[in-house]
Amino acid sequence: KTQVEQSPQSLVVRQGENCVLQCNYSVTPDNHLRWFKQDTGKGLVSLTVLVDQKDKTSNGRYSATLDKDAKHSTLHITATLLDDTATYICVVGDRGSALGRLHFGAGTQLIVIP
Amino acid sequence: DMKVTQMPRYLIKRMGENVLLECGQDMSHETMYWYRQDPGLGLQLIYISYDVDSNSEGDIPKGYRVSRKKREHFSLILDSAKTNQTSVYFCASSLSQAANTEVFFGKGTRLTVV
Repeated sequence: KTQVEQSPQSLVVRQGENCVLQCNYSVTPDNHLRWFKQDTGKGLVSLTVLVDQKDKTSNGRYSATLDKDAKHSTLHITATLLDDTATYICVVGDRGSALGRLHFGAGTQLIVIP
Repeated sequence: DMKVTQMPRYLIKRMGENVLLECGQDMSHETMYWYRQDPGLGLQLIYISYDVDSNSEGDIPKGYRVSRKKREHFSLILDSAKTNQTSVYFCASSLSQAANTEVFFGKGTRLTVV
């Protein structure tokens, strides 16, 4: 059973618009949550990591929230650029030790059009 | 420049042939991973390595084996490749599994088994 669900599956926005990507998970324990950006044909690049029970992070035009009580995270992208076109992947880590596992969502495919 | 390098980037093999995927990292990271990524699915963990000759099965190890004889190299081996092993394979590394430890991914190897 998929433990990390992302929505929407795909999203098309116009350059300059804002967008919000959702991640719901059932992973237990939920030590931390990362958002990755994956350009087509490339590897995953970390955007941000959230750790606290209710956490917020900001990295340029990317901002993210985490609510561990709701097991829910959001990734906000403001003033989108064409280069934001990519797949955004939510990953939940179930422990903070070497024995921990990472649980990957299938990703949200974001397409930014002119 | 911190990076994870995968070779080759693209590979076509016949069913039954042996396959060797190579991964290197220049960060002296202890932990390394092999994942596969299939359309519509999150990355699935094949094997994890905690250091030289300290490897553990991931979630889908069947049909694969690994070798880590040097900290900077982690190889994935398919003995007698099968068509259902057609996928994109990603190698990753991290200093540890702590929550604030970044995970670095290679650009992937696209393997096609015909």
